[in-house]
Amino acid sequence: DGGITQSPKYLFRKEGQNVTLSCEQNLNHDAMYWYRQDPGQGLRLIYYSQIVNDFQKGDIAEGYSVSREKKESFPLTVTSAQKNPTAFYLCASSIYLTGQYGYTFGSGTRLTVV
Amino acid sequence: DAKTTQPNSMESNEEEPVHLPCNHSTISGTDYIHWYRQLPSQGPEYVIHGLTSNVNNRMASLAIAEDRKSSTLILHRATLRDAAVYYCILRKNSGAGSYQLTFGKGTKLSVIP
Repeated sequence: DGGITQSPKYLFRKEGQNVTLSCEQNLNHDAMYWYRQDPGQGLRLIYYSQIVNDFQKGDIAEGYSVSREKKESFPLTVTSAQKNPTAFYLCASSIYLTGQYGYTFGSGTRLTVV
Repeated sequence: DAKTTQPNSMESNEEEPVHLPCNHSTISGTDYIHWYRQLPSQGPEYVIHGLTSNVNNRMASLAIAEDRKSSTLILHRATLRDAAVYYCILRKNSGAGSYQLTFGKGTKLSVIP
C-alpha cells in the first residue's frame, strides 16, 4: 500500500544536539511538507517542497532545516537553535503543490528534549 | 487569510448521525473547503473536500451553504472509531499560499456507546 512513513515514532534528544526526522513516501507525490503540532493546538507549517532540490520556509522555519535530494524523501533536522523543539512532528505529501486532491499525512514523530 | 470557526467539542451517540458545523464567513470564491480528522497520536486523515456543490464519499458527506459562508460535515452513522478531532480548512485555489493548509484547533468529537 502506498503511504508516508515517518521514523522514528518517538525520539529523545539532549539539549544542544541536532536530530533528524525521516519522512519517506511511495505515492509519487511531487509536494512534501513538515508540520509541527503542540498539545491542544493546530498544525503549523515548518517547510515545504514542491520538487526535488527545492524547498521553501513555512511559518516557523527558524531552528529547522530540510533537504529534498530524492522525490521520495524529505528529512527534517531539528537543530540546537530551535528553542522549544518538544512537539509532535508531521510529514505530509500531495500530488501537486496546490493540494487540490488532498494531502496524505504520516503517523508522526514525537520529539522530546531531555 | 480566510479563517474557519468550529465548536471546540461535540458529543454523539453511537450509530446516530453527526453534523459538524464550520463557519467561514470570509471565504473567497476560489477557496476549497477541506475536512480532515485526527485520532490521538496519529497524523490527520483526509475526509472530504468541496467547492460549491454538496459532496459525498464513503466516509462522509459535505453540505455547503449556498452563500458558502458555512459548511457541515455529516457522518451518517457515528461509530466509536469516528471519535477524533475534526478540522475544517480553507485552501486557496491559486496565488500566494495556495499550497498551505491552515489547521485550527478543530472540533473534538466524542462518541458515546
